[in-house]
Amino acid sequence: DVKVTQSSRYLVKRTGEKVFLECVQDMDHENMFWYRQDPGLGLRLIYFSYDVKMKEKGDIPEGYSVSREKKERFSLILESASTNQTSMYLCASSLSWSPLHFGNGTRLTVT
Amino acid sequence: GQQLNQSPQSMFIQEGEDVSMNCTSSSIFNTWLWYKQDPGEGPVLLIALYKAGELTSNGRLTAQFGITRKDSFLNISASIPSDVGIYFCAGPRNSGGSNYKLTFGKGTLLTVNP
Repeated sequence: DVKVTQSSRYLVKRTGEKVFLECVQDMDHENMFWYRQDPGLGLRLIYFSYDVKMKEKGDIPEGYSVSREKKERFSLILESASTNQTSMYLCASSLSWSPLHFGNGTRLTVT
Repeated sequence: GQQLNQSPQSMFIQEGEDVSMNCTSSSIFNTWLWYKQDPGEGPVLLIALYKAGELTSNGRLTAQFGITRKDSFLNISASIPSDVGIYFCAGPRNSGGSNYKLTFGKGTLLTVNP
């Protein structure tokens, strides 16, 4: 079974802090994704990566950056956290033509 | 861009009832996926549909790929309390590309009363 692990289930950060959300997958998948989930808005794609050191903006990249130095790890970075970035963040991975496998999410609260 | 309209937004049903939800789009999709998200967890793939007209079952779940390729349906028969959760439809944005970015519906929140 594919395992996508997000390092934190819950995070509380202050406005202006730099925040790192980490995600690791163990199935050698090329593609990795970061989504945020908000009530009434569903899942929205922030960034995705299709190879090491490769990244592409999703639908809502503003205020975020990503890093993929190793194939198994994809990090989401909030350079200066703001209250409107309070959300559930979901990491996912996939092979090129397979459906996404999701982690259990990180619920981030920015105060 | 491609959008998926999922309905209903929420459902409150009694245990044992059947459930039906659907997803429509103004664009053609070549694949339809249905995910379920349990409370506090990430979404898990339930059913994948790859061919127009396809009808696929997974236990009490049945999903269909609409013949126009612009819609899909998910039915749950004889619901049980553990069916509670959010159900999402999804489809790939670039069916001819090398990546697999998905467009998601906004989800159907299902509550089952014992």
